[in-house]
Amino acid sequence: DVKVTQSSRYLVKRTGEKVFLECVQDMDHENMFWYRQDPGLGLRLIYFSYDVKMKEKGDIPEGYSVSREKKERFSLILESASTNQTSMYLCASSPHRDRGHEQYFGPGTRLTVT
Amino acid sequence: AQTVTQSQPEMSVQEAETVTLSCTYDTSESDYYLFWYKQPPSRQMILVIRQEAYKQQNATENRFSVNFQKAAKSFSLKISDSQLGDAAMYFCLKLDSNYQLIWGAGTKLIIKP
Repeated sequence: DVKVTQSSRYLVKRTGEKVFLECVQDMDHENMFWYRQDPGLGLRLIYFSYDVKMKEKGDIPEGYSVSREKKERFSLILESASTNQTSMYLCASSPHRDRGHEQYFGPGTRLTVT
Repeated sequence: AQTVTQSQPEMSVQEAETVTLSCTYDTSESDYYLFWYKQPPSRQMILVIRQEAYKQQNATENRFSVNFQKAAKSFSLKISDSQLGDAAMYFCLKLDSNYQLIWGAGTKLIIKP
């Protein structure tokens, strides 16, 4: 079974702190994604990566950065957390650059910024 | 900007009955993929069913089937013989040729025992 794990289920941080969210997948997938999920807005793509050291901006990259130094790990970084970044963050991976493949999701990290 | 619209924020159905969740989208392309994902309470999002736009035949997966109307840009999900385990948020997703991912806002499905 594909497994996508995220470093924390719940996280509370203060405004201005630097926040790292880690995601690891164990199936050698090329693609990895970071989304934020807010009620009534569905999922919005922050960044995705289709290879090591490659990244592409999604729909809402402002205030976020990412790092993919190893194929299995994709990190989301909030350089200076703000209250409007309080949200559920979901990581996902999929096998190939080719479209149409299923995305496998992690359990999510619920981040609260106070 | 392209959009995916799920017009039903919440739906409820009696156990063992059939329910249909709606999804409409806009696009100028002919080549894209459509998906339905399910997110049970406090559990991970999983794929329910997918449809390739160039295929006319509607996808089916056991009790789950879609009604894909390409001209109308509609992609509804039908769940037959609803079970308590079907209770979840359901999200519609469109993936286009530029790898642009557009998600709907979701529909909460409640199953009444």
